[in-house]
Amino acid sequence: GESVGLHLPTLSVQEGDNSIINCAYSNSASDYFIWYKQESGKGPQFIIDIRSNMDKRQGQRVTVLLNKTVKHLSLQIAATQPGDSAVYFCAENSGYALNFGKGTSLLVTP
Amino acid sequence: DAGVIQSPRHEVTEMGQEVTLRCKPISGHNSLFWYRQTMMRGLELLIYFNNNVPIDDSGMPEDRFSAKMPNASFSTLKIQPSEPRDSAVYFCASSPGATRQYFGPGTRLTVT
Repeated sequence: GESVGLHLPTLSVQEGDNSIINCAYSNSASDYFIWYKQESGKGPQFIIDIRSNMDKRQGQRVTVLLNKTVKHLSLQIAATQPGDSAVYFCAENSGYALNFGKGTSLLVTP
Repeated sequence: DAGVIQSPRHEVTEMGQEVTLRCKPISGHNSLFWYRQTMMRGLELLIYFNNNVPIDDSGMPEDRFSAKMPNASFSTLKIQPSEPRDSAVYFCASSPGATRQYFGPGTRLTVT
């Protein structure tokens, strides 16, 4: 029979365009946030992190924005490439652990 | 740095059999996590060790699951007896503190 699983939000972008992936978090006391990228058949890979005393942090082609007022996190990827196609997870700390979101699937089309 | 090492990468077993998954964390990391990932439930934390001591095992589904960390460089997750609903990808992650976690490549478990 048909399997039912998580219906991940999917973002489709053209190669070379910028991508913005959004995430809402739940705990206003969280002070650390992180983005992971997971390619098919691999474990989650660290992309970038940010602490709550910052509202923006930049890496190589990636920028994370944090809006604590509305508990919103976003990941911006500049000049998206085919190799960026993956599932992206945001996570917030909860004591020792990380609470992971459900993920967003990014599809880069030529 | 070899990163987090997990073995086996794939495991296929029959229902009722014992399954043991292995993990070697990154040297110097004092925290170790076991996760399970399925299409239905996403990424779930099963258990967390700090300095080889289990701190929180509230995510372990039931008594059929057990985890050990006999030393700082090795951990096991055991399922006995295994059931088809245990089929998933199991990840081990380690961390130097309450921040970034480094994930292993995962073990894909199929229970028939």
